Amino acid sequence: DAGVIQSPRHEVTEMGQEVTLRCKPISGHDYLFWYRQTMMRGLELLIYFNNNVPIDDSGMPEDRFSAKMPNASFSTLKIQPSEPRDSAVYFCASSFSGPSTGELFFGEGSRLTVL
Amino acid sequence: AQSVTQPDIHITVSEGASLELRCNYSYGATPYLFWYVQSPGQGLQLLLKYFSGDTLVQGIKGFEAEFKRSHSSFNLRKPSVHWSDAAEYFCAVGGGENTGFQKLVFGTGTRLLVSP
Repeated sequence: DAGVIQSPRHEVTEMGQEVTLRCKPISGHDYLFWYRQTMMRGLELLIYFNNNVPIDDSGMPEDRFSAKMPNASFSTLKIQPSEPRDSAVYFCASSFSGPSTGELFFGEGSRLTVL
Repeated sequence: AQSVTQPDIHITVSEGASLELRCNYSYGATPYLFWYVQSPGQGLQLLLKYFSGDTLVQGIKGFEAEFKRSHSSFNLRKPSVHWSDAAEYFCAVGGGENTGFQKLVFGTGTRLLVSP
């Protein structure tokens, strides 16, 4: 399996622009997570889905952030409008809810810089 | 709500020396505990996990961790560190099957430096 695939790997944009980050989870995984990593706040869970349904979005910073999972093989995290404080590495992870699991498989991340 | 504390931000260890990274958790019930490793520019990779049973768990790359309920700790150990172990290490706690064990809370990480 190719693992969790994220795009783009790097994004540089100007304040006010819309940013869309994409994620393809591992086939067969039924959970998908979006995390944000910064030096100041560490690794924060933004939102997670189970079987394409958002379960907990309490970590989403504000209304500028939105996430969708239209099908089992694709998810997006959108920031509109973007702000410099959104600069971070955004990770997508997926997992399988079968027995003896609990392991998250992370993508390589999307590094976002908002100028 | 669960939380994780990793008291050491940086640790430097000589190659070949032993390693122990500290992790303390806060959770009202039996936790699910994890250690992940992150190499520069990469995502996180699972080293090992504890769900129940034997409190000493073995992981990949020669790592092990011991769950001590009385200390609310889950420290990571390795008897002999290799230069390739230099990375950032994250401890994480999940709430268990009845409270959404898939939702993990991560510590702030410990950066391991390995000196020659």
